[in-house]
Amino acid sequence: GENVEQHPSTLSVQEGDSAVIKCTYSDSASNYFPWYKQELGKGPQLIIDIRSNVGEKKDQRIAVTLNKTAKHFSLHITETQPEDSAVYFCAASPATGRRALTFGSGTRLQVQP
Amino acid sequence: GAVVSQHPSWVICKSGTSVKIECRSLDFQATTMFWYRQFPKQSLMLMATSNEGSKATYEQGVEKDKFLINHASLTLSTLTVTSAHPEDSSFYICSAKAFRGGSTDTQYFGPGTRLTVL
Repeated sequence: GENVEQHPSTLSVQEGDSAVIKCTYSDSASNYFPWYKQELGKGPQLIIDIRSNVGEKKDQRIAVTLNKTAKHFSLHITETQPEDSAVYFCAASPATGRRALTFGSGTRLQVQP
Repeated sequence: GAVVSQHPSWVICKSGTSVKIECRSLDFQATTMFWYRQFPKQSLMLMATSNEGSKATYEQGVEKDKFLINHASLTLSTLTVTSAHPEDSSFYICSAKAFRGGSTDTQYFGPGTRLTVL
């Protein structure tokens, strides 16, 4: 089955700096890679996703890059703000079918004002 | 994006009782729903996959007789924790996915249910 590794487990940055979270996956059949933000006591919220036919995707201050050959993908947050503080999870799965997502272990991001 | 609701948002029960959690997709039909469990400061762990009109598929180590899943309609799946014990205390999260065959479909998550068993 799929195995997703995520680093770092915690990340502290100053407001306005950039934050980068990296994930690797093992199953070459995976071709859908979403990122979720989870605030304390809430369910995960999808913030951006990328499919394997695309190498990079950007949405305002958030971008995701994918290197399918190396089986890794990254989340980039620019101009971080205190409200970006949360736990971020990467995930992977085949795009079609009924397979569930396999999650990384999570990164706790703390943006210092 | 699509909306998934869960009810209740939190529940406290006595050891030995059963608790039912509902998961609804509010603006789309979900042919597949997933149930996850999350312990404090840990990642989401898949418990089972729930397909409408068929039996749920449970992950290894998850007792199907303890965690009863019913997916009776395209918008509702329920998880019943039977004879709950304190070790079942956790954050239970459902997600829903619409399968349209040949296309990529996003998995949306509910807000979670905090279960505390005394």
